[in-house]
Amino acid sequence: KQEVTQIPAALSVPEGENLVLNCSFTDSAIYNLQWFRQDPGKGLTSLLLIQSSQREQTSGRLNASLDKSSGRSTLYIAASQPGDSATYLCAAAYSGAGSYQLTFGKGTKLSVIP
Amino acid sequence: ETGVTQTPRHLVMGMTNKKSLKCEQHLGHNAMYWYKQSAKKPLELMFVYNFKEQTENNSVPSRFSPECPNSSHLFLHLHTLQPEDSALYLCASSLDSGIYEQFFGPGTRLTVL
Repeated sequence: KQEVTQIPAALSVPEGENLVLNCSFTDSAIYNLQWFRQDPGKGLTSLLLIQSSQREQTSGRLNASLDKSSGRSTLYIAASQPGDSATYLCAAAYSGAGSYQLTFGKGTKLSVIP
Repeated sequence: ETGVTQTPRHLVMGMTNKKSLKCEQHLGHNAMYWYKQSAKKPLELMFVYNFKEQTENNSVPSRFSPECPNSSHLFLHLHTLQPEDSALYLCASSLDSGIYEQFFGPGTRLTVL
């Protein structure tokens, strides 16, 4: 059974700081890895998707990396802002019995202090 | 409306009630998904529909009954639920159930008394 682990479970940083969120997965046979943002009581917003053949993806202040051999992905957030406060989820995509499925981590709750 | 919408956003029901959750996608996708998000647990995939056909049922209890009348609409019919079924239920869609990005709705917060 595939498992995705995110560390830390919660993180609090002062505004302006650069930070790294970690995600590890047990099965390296992933198709892609996706990072999502979830605001309290809301749905998921996709931030970045890294295909298994890629090493990293960038969008604005966000950079996500993927190392399949070690089973790790990181999400780097530069110059953090209070508006970045949310829960960040990573999800690894695997082939299921009838479809491709996402296995999610529990998330890292980020608080950026003004 | 754009993206994936879900109604209602909040629902409180007793264990003997019957209710339904609705999801609609306006993206022209062919695959739709139901996920359950419980407190302190990862999102769990419940059901997958591709071109209106159910392709995945992740051992979900029969008190949850999905319905997909067309590629744009997905329902989750609820009956005789338990308090532990209280959770955020998220709907998602993708181009099809292959390796395509999934787009999520805002969710329905369900409380079972």
